[in-house]
Amino acid sequence: QSALTQPRSVSGSPGQSVTISCTGTSSDVGGYQYVSWYQQHPGKAPKLMISDVTKRPSGVPDRFSGSKSGNTASLTISGLQPEDEADYYCCSYAGSLNYVFGTGTKVTVL
Amino acid sequence: QVQLVQSGAEVKKPGASVKVSCKASGYTFLDYDINWVRQAPGQGLEWMGRISVHNDNANSAQKFQDRVTMTTDTTTSTAYMELRSLRSDDTAIYFCARGISFGYWGQGTLVTVSS
Repeated sequence: QSALTQPRSVSGSPGQSVTISCTGTSSDVGGYQYVSWYQQHPGKAPKLMISDVTKRPSGVPDRFSGSKSGNTASLTISGLQPEDEADYYCCSYAGSLNYVFGTGTKVTVL
Repeated sequence: QVQLVQSGAEVKKPGASVKVSCKASGYTFLDYDINWVRQAPGQGLEWMGRISVHNDNANSAQKFQDRVTMTTDTTTSTAYMELRSLRSDDTAIYFCARGISFGYWGQGTLVTVSS
């Protein structure tokens, strides 16, 4: 199972919007409504930001949103804040109780 | 509150085995799978496998299938991941995470493989 493809980095100024893509195949991202997104600050454990493509857990700011079209899922951060600077990973169900993570994207707040 | 507390850092020699524990609290242990994820230094997240606490059914990523064993102890609400035949490229932080959405994570356990 190959890792899902994410851009290595994205950046934006405070208040701007950024979108991170996560491209897989019809065997993972395109085949299921089970894509999740995680935020990881340096030296910390990942934190769930979006589950099931679009669901935002309690406590996650509503500036984080998820979507999917075909084999590509996306995470959008609207109104970028300094604390959003972190690494972001997507993860998809890949069938037969297997999962696959994305390659990771570093978000920089300029 | 939900917590997953992992065992401490380990240093192992190549060829040895390591067993990492993940003690759960704040929820019904039987109700959620436990996943294991690792992160090599400066690298991304890699899913290793998962175990159903309810029925002990486990499966792992193909690259780990012959080297990893996942178990649970429901009496202590603890999950375990054992990795055998360690190599230098197994040096990583190993995380446990709860459920199909990986909604809660342990703090991570650094495993260093070095001669």
